[in-house]
Amino acid sequence: QQQVKQSPQSLIVQKGGIPIINCAYENTAFDYFPWYQQFPGKGPALLIAIRPDVSEKKEGRFTISFNKSAKQFSLHIMDSQPGDSATYFCAASWSGSRLTFGEGTQLTVNP
Amino acid sequence: NAGVTQTPKFQVLKTGQSMTLQCAQDMNHNSMYWYRQDPGMGLRLIYYSASEGTTDKGEVPNGYNVSRLNKREFSLRLESAAPSQTSVYFCASSEAMQPTGKLFFGSGTQLSVL
Repeated sequence: QQQVKQSPQSLIVQKGGIPIINCAYENTAFDYFPWYQQFPGKGPALLIAIRPDVSEKKEGRFTISFNKSAKQFSLHIMDSQPGDSATYFCAASWSGSRLTFGEGTQLTVNP
Repeated sequence: NAGVTQTPKFQVLKTGQSMTLQCAQDMNHNSMYWYRQDPGMGLRLIYYSASEGTTDKGEVPNGYNVSRLNKREFSLRLESAAPSQTSVYFCASSEAMQPTGKLFFGSGTQLSVL
């Protein structure tokens, strides 16, 4: 069964901190790894995505790190702000398949 | 541009009642999806429609039915609601049934079954 395991379930950091959210997957056929961000009362929205041919991708303050041998990938948020407080979902898929989502991480950034 | 619109936003049902959740997208997307979100379980796919005229089961289809009414609209029906169906339901769409395609989500329907 295709699975993506996400941790931690919740995370609290101070403004300016660097929260890190981790995901691990089992299916080595996965070749697309997006992160979705969800604010309260809203649907998730695509934040950033990576393919396994690179080990890191940055978009603004958000960075995905990818470790193919360990079958893990993580989201780092540099200089976190209270406005980054949201639920973050990792996901994975392979060509021809649908996205499999992780369990979600509720991030709180305190002022 | 409205994107993906879901109705209703909130609903309370009694066990055994039926209801239909409505979803419409105005982005001319081919593929549409219904997910449910439960605490600690992420987003689980209920049903999807790769293109107009087709529907397929996702991970958790039991107790649900869907209709792709046209290219814009994709409805989810609960024939006999159960407390286990208490959840937040999201409709989503994408340009095509490709895993790298960006999913656009609606704002959700919070459903409580008593």
